[in-house]
Amino acid sequence: DIVMTQTPLSLSVTPGQPASISCKSSQSLLHSNGRTYLYWYLQKPGQSPQLLIYEVSNRFSGVPDRFSGSGSGTDFTLRISRVEAEDVGVYYCMQSIQFPPGFGQGTKVEIK
Amino acid sequence: QVQLEESGGGVVQPGRSLRLSCAVFGFTLSDYTMHWVRQAPGKGLQGVATISSNGANKFYADSVKGRFTISRDTSKNTLYLEMNSLRAEDTALYYCGRVTRWGRGTLVTVSS
Repeated sequence: DIVMTQTPLSLSVTPGQPASISCKSSQSLLHSNGRTYLYWYLQKPGQSPQLLIYEVSNRFSGVPDRFSGSGSGTDFTLRISRVEAEDVGVYYCMQSIQFPPGFGQGTKVEIK
Repeated sequence: QVQLEESGGGVVQPGRSLRLSCAVFGFTLSDYTMHWVRQAPGKGLQGVATISSNGANKFYADSVKGRFTISRDTSKNTLYLEMNSLRAEDTALYYCGRVTRWGRGTLVTVSS
């Protein structure tokens, strides 16, 4: 099984400041078809996870451009350029090169 | 409009069975790989089961293999999770979904 490891597990950010979350996988998420199956989700309190970034760096429909993803192989990063109050919640990375999909432990983001 | 609606959760005694349903709207089940994931109270997300778009391939987490069965009825555009020999550690909010969208979840509580 692929193990997904996120750091940090919690983050307290001043509004307007940047934030960054790392996600490392125990195996490469690069498929033979050339696509890398790494996703980022935000789970706001009391809600289901909502997709932010798909296949490493593609922003999902309606996601603000302050969110960006980067990385390759086994090493990935989610960046928020300027954190806003509505960005609070738990962020998860997920791999779907193997099924069922596997998630990181989650990173709880709060506003200072 | 894409929507997923889980149902069938409830309180059940250890060792008993439960079937979860996930009605999907706005897309066709046979076009997508579909998943069940769960979230124990206060914990992170865990992939439980996956069914391929053609229905031919099914995948399970080790913790549920041999006890849970994922299936679908394309005529009803509904996904299912049959859960047998339930244990206390299966207590969780169960979400159905595809990578880009998840339902609101249905709560399963296993308790005597």
